[in-house]
Amino acid sequence: DIHMTQSPSTLSASVGDRVTITCQASQRIGSWLAWYQQKPGKAPKLLIYKTSSLDSGVPSRFSGSGSGTEFTLTISSLQPDDFATFYCQQYDSYPYTFGQGTYLEIK
Amino acid sequence: QVQLAQSGAEVKKPGASVKVSCKVSGKDPEYTLSEVSSHWVRQAPGKGLEWMGSFDPEDGETIYAQNFLGRVNMSVDSSTDTAYMELTSLRTEDTAVYYCVPSLGGSWPFDNWGQGTLVSVSP
Repeated sequence: DIHMTQSPSTLSASVGDRVTITCQASQRIGSWLAWYQQKPGKAPKLLIYKTSSLDSGVPSRFSGSGSGTEFTLTISSLQPDDFATFYCQQYDSYPYTFGQGTYLEIK
Repeated sequence: QVQLAQSGAEVKKPGASVKVSCKVSGKDPEYTLSEVSSHWVRQAPGKGLEWMGSFDPEDGETIYAQNFLGRVNMSVDSSTDTAYMELTSLRTEDTAVYYCVPSLGGSWPFDNWGQGTLVSVSP
């Protein structure tokens, strides 16, 4: 199985900050990497797919990059609505696997 | 976007089975669950996301995560266009929210999630 490791597990930041979350895969997954945002009591929401493609309706302050085994999610200027938990997921091969999550909290 | 409606919360005893359903709702959906693969993902309270497996109605192929082999069965009833996930021999650690996630093809991201079904397993 491909193991996905996210860092940091918790991130404290302020509105307007630029933040980056990292996801490392235990083996190469090409560009088959997605990022999801989840708020309490809600289903996850797709933000980015295929490493860097923004899903429909997702604000442009979100961006993704990387290749092979190292990937990043960047939020260029945090907005109040962005505070949530973020997950990366590889969908290159079964079993699809998720990172453990990054909790983004207001400083 | 296609709307998905999952069945309601369940409370079960250890050793029992649960069957969660997922149905497309609304008029003129872009696809039906008889046409696309259905994945299931669960999330234990306060924990992360865990992919359980998928069912492809085109050929009936199922792919299950190792953790669930022998205990899970995923299917689609084409007559009602409803996807099902049945989990047997329930344990307290199976307490989680279970999500259905249709997928339009291989290497397709999870762009549409059901609202989730809470399954509570308690003695």
